Amino acid sequence: DVKVTQSSRYLVKRTGEKVFLECVQDMDHENMFWYRQDPGLGLRLIYFSYDVKMKEKGDIPEGYSVSREKKERFSLILESASTNQTSMYLCASSRQGFSNQPQHFGDGTRLSIL
Amino acid sequence: AQTVTQSQPEMSVQEAETVTLSCTYDTSESDYYLFWYKQPPSRQMILVIRQEAYKQQNATENRFSVNFQKAAKSFSLKISDSQLGDAAMYFCAYSSPNFGNEKLTFGTGTRLTIIP
Repeated sequence: DVKVTQSSRYLVKRTGEKVFLECVQDMDHENMFWYRQDPGLGLRLIYFSYDVKMKEKGDIPEGYSVSREKKERFSLILESASTNQTSMYLCASSRQGFSNQPQHFGDGTRLSIL
Repeated sequence: AQTVTQSQPEMSVQEAETVTLSCTYDTSESDYYLFWYKQPPSRQMILVIRQEAYKQQNATENRFSVNFQKAAKSFSLKISDSQLGDAAMYFCAYSSPNFGNEKLTFGTGTRLTIIP
């Protein structure tokens, strides 16, 4: 089974801090994704990576950056955390070239910015 | 850009009964994929069922089936013989078939409650 592991289930940080959310997948998937989940808004794509060192902006990239130095690891970075970035963050991975294949999700990180 | 709409924020159903969750989408593409994902409370999001737009036949997975109406751009999920373990957030999602663009567009979700 595919396993997508997010480094923290819960995280509390302060306004202005630089925050790193880590995600690792063990199935050699080319694609990795970071989503933000908010009540009433569903999942919104922040960034998408289809290869090492490659990235594409999603629907809400402002205030975020990403890093993919190795195929299995995809990091989301909040450069200067703000209270409106308090949310649930979900990481996912999938095989490239197979749009009918599901994305596999991690357990999520619930991030609170105080 | 594609959009996905789930107009029912919350639904409830008696255990063992049948419930249908609605999803509509907007796209100019002729080929695409549609998914229903389930997110149980405090648990991982998992795939429930998928449908390929070029297939006429509605997908079925055990107690879960879809009613795919391509012309109406509608993709509803029917859960038969509802069980307590079906309680979850359900998300409808759309994917383009283009290589290298396997992003998903999600709806806002429907929270399903099962009444014992």
